[in-house]
Amino acid sequence: AQKITQTQPGMFVQEKEAVTLDCTYDTSDQSYGLFWYKQPSSGEMIFLIYQGSYDEQNATEGRYSLNFQKARKSANLVISASQLGDSAMYFCARVSIYNQGGKLIFGQGTELSVKP
Amino acid sequence: NAGVTQTPKFRILKIGQSMTLQCTQDMNHNYMYWYRQDPGMGLKLIYYSVGAGITDKGEVPNGYNVSRSTTEDFPLRLELAAPSQTSVYFCASRAGQGYEKLFFGSGTQLSVL
Repeated sequence: AQKITQTQPGMFVQEKEAVTLDCTYDTSDQSYGLFWYKQPSSGEMIFLIYQGSYDEQNATEGRYSLNFQKARKSANLVISASQLGDSAMYFCARVSIYNQGGKLIFGQGTELSVKP
Repeated sequence: NAGVTQTPKFRILKIGQSMTLQCTQDMNHNYMYWYRQDPGMGLKLIYYSVGAGITDKGEVPNGYNVSRSTTEDFPLRLELAAPSQTSVYFCASRAGQGYEKLFFGSGTQLSVL
């Protein structure tokens, strides 16, 4: 199985500081996509950001950016200026583009706690 | 906009009982998915469908069945419930199998006792 690995089960960050959440992936596909989702304690799954394997620039969405290093097969999420509301579980996921039924395969998640 | 709607939100089953988790979406998405999330863990794919009448197994299909008779509905059936099926179940849909994001339902908390 092509795995997604998030090596940080839990992380702490001080409010207003930046934090990087790690994600590495296995794939033999040439064309694939990477997603990050946030899951607050309420349990809902919230889409944050997407990066395509052929995108030349790193994706950004407001305070979220994706540090995509294709050769290293890593897609780390960077959250700038952390806020208390950023405390949540964060999941990285990979999809094979136009293949395999569009299934997203998820990592095991990182729990982020933002300290005031 | 309703998006992806799951029912029920909570359910307690006894070992050996059966039930159906309902999922419907109003976005005309062809691609639908069922995931389970065990406590403190990531999401694992149970079954998925690429269109009405077409379903396929995911990573953890044992003990479950699905059907897809319409574009809108993708029910998940649990037969002979076991404690190992205690989990949170998420239904999700996508417009395509490219860059489109996955839309999630609010989840069903299932306990099998």
